[in-house]
Amino acid sequence: AQSVSQHNHHVILSEAASLELGCNYSYGGTVNLFWYVQYPGQHLQLLLKYFSGDPLVKGIKGFEAEFIKSKFSFNLRKPSVQWSDTAEYFCAVSSYYGGATNKLIFGTGTLLAVQP
Amino acid sequence: NAGVMQNPRHLVRRRGQEARLRCSPMKGHSHVYWYRQLPEEGLKFMVYLQKENIIDESGMPKERFSAEFPKEGPSILRIQQVVRGDSAAYFCASSRGDSSYNEQFFGPGTRLTVL
Repeated sequence: AQSVSQHNHHVILSEAASLELGCNYSYGGTVNLFWYVQYPGQHLQLLLKYFSGDPLVKGIKGFEAEFIKSKFSFNLRKPSVQWSDTAEYFCAVSSYYGGATNKLIFGTGTLLAVQP
Repeated sequence: NAGVMQNPRHLVRRRGQEARLRCSPMKGHSHVYWYRQLPEEGLKFMVYLQKENIIDESGMPKERFSAEFPKEGPSILRIQQVVRGDSAAYFCASSRGDSSYNEQFFGPGTRLTVL
């Protein structure tokens, strides 16, 4: 069965620090990969996604993620975080092939707190 | 340009009562997904519906839970005879199509508390 692991449950950083959130998945076939963010009191929003092509994906608000197929990883990065990046971040995986559905498999989330 | 709407946002029920959660997809979207987030856990897929059809219910508990997406009106997730373990946040997402290239847009969630 597919699964997604996020290594860090809570991360605390100071503003301007660099961020890297780990995400590993287990699935042998073709996958699509996503990072979602949930700001306090708001709904889930898509940060970025990977389907194919360049394994380095750029998303909104300066975030990027790198797909490393050999490591089954899709880590999220940002060179310099801001207080407004305080949120919960979810990595997710889906697979789609003839007849299968587009359900997302989520990791448990990482709560990021950025201190001013 | 309204996003995915869910109501109620908060729902309190006593054990044994029924809970009805509603989801109105974005305009132009005919595919709806329900996810549940238990405390300290990530979102878990429950069911995927198109208009008038359940496509994948592999994540639905076998008893007490049902979902529908009628031709007219919102999608409904129904939980009969709720128990304390049903307390969770229930999220709905909608997409334009069933390909994974179609982004899923999420609603704000319904937080169910069972007393």
